[in-house]
Amino acid sequence: GDSVTQMEGPVTLSEEAFLTINCTYTATGYPSLFWYVQYPGEGLQLLLKATKADDKGSNKGFEATYRKETTSFHLEKGSVQVSDSAVYFCALMGSNYKLTFGKGTLLTVNP
Amino acid sequence: NAGVMQNPRHLVRRRGQEARLRCSPMKGHSHVYWYRQLPEEGLKFMVYLQKENIIDESGMPKERFSAEFPKEGPSILRIQQVVRGDSAAYFCASSPRADHTDTQYFGPGTRLTVL
Repeated sequence: GDSVTQMEGPVTLSEEAFLTINCTYTATGYPSLFWYVQYPGEGLQLLLKATKADDKGSNKGFEATYRKETTSFHLEKGSVQVSDSAVYFCALMGSNYKLTFGKGTLLTVNP
Repeated sequence: NAGVMQNPRHLVRRRGQEARLRCSPMKGHSHVYWYRQLPEEGLKFMVYLQKENIIDESGMPKERFSAEFPKEGPSILRIQQVVRGDSAAYFCASSPRADHTDTQYFGPGTRLTVL
């Protein structure tokens, strides 16, 4: 079945540091890939998505590229801010409508 | 455009009681999904509904759990005779279609605590 494996946290960075959170997936067919962010006590917000191979999703300085050859969708940001502190979830949607999530990565950014 | 709404945000129940969680999808969305987030875990799919129909309940426990999405009103996730293991955050999401490229928009969740 479909599965998502993402880098386990927690990840602690200083402000303006470079961020990478690794995500790899297993799926049949051609899934869509998503990154969601969850701030404390809140629901999930879509951060970015990519629906086909080589697509790059981007939003708020975050980027991720759909790499079919490595089955990866790593999240990157060049310069993190304290306000980026949250839990980040990688997810895929296969040929059906179910989102399959990774376990989440807690990011803490210190001033 | 209001987002997905869920209530209550927090719910406390004693073992054996019933819990009712409500979800109002975004305007124009007729597809509703429920996910459960257990402590230290990611979200797991529970059920997918369209108006008046359960399309897929493969992720829902066979006993005590039920869901509905009536023609009028919000979607309801109902848990009968709650046990401590039901303590979790329950998230509802909605989408305009059920296409694998579509985004599912999530509500703020209901955090259920079973005493």
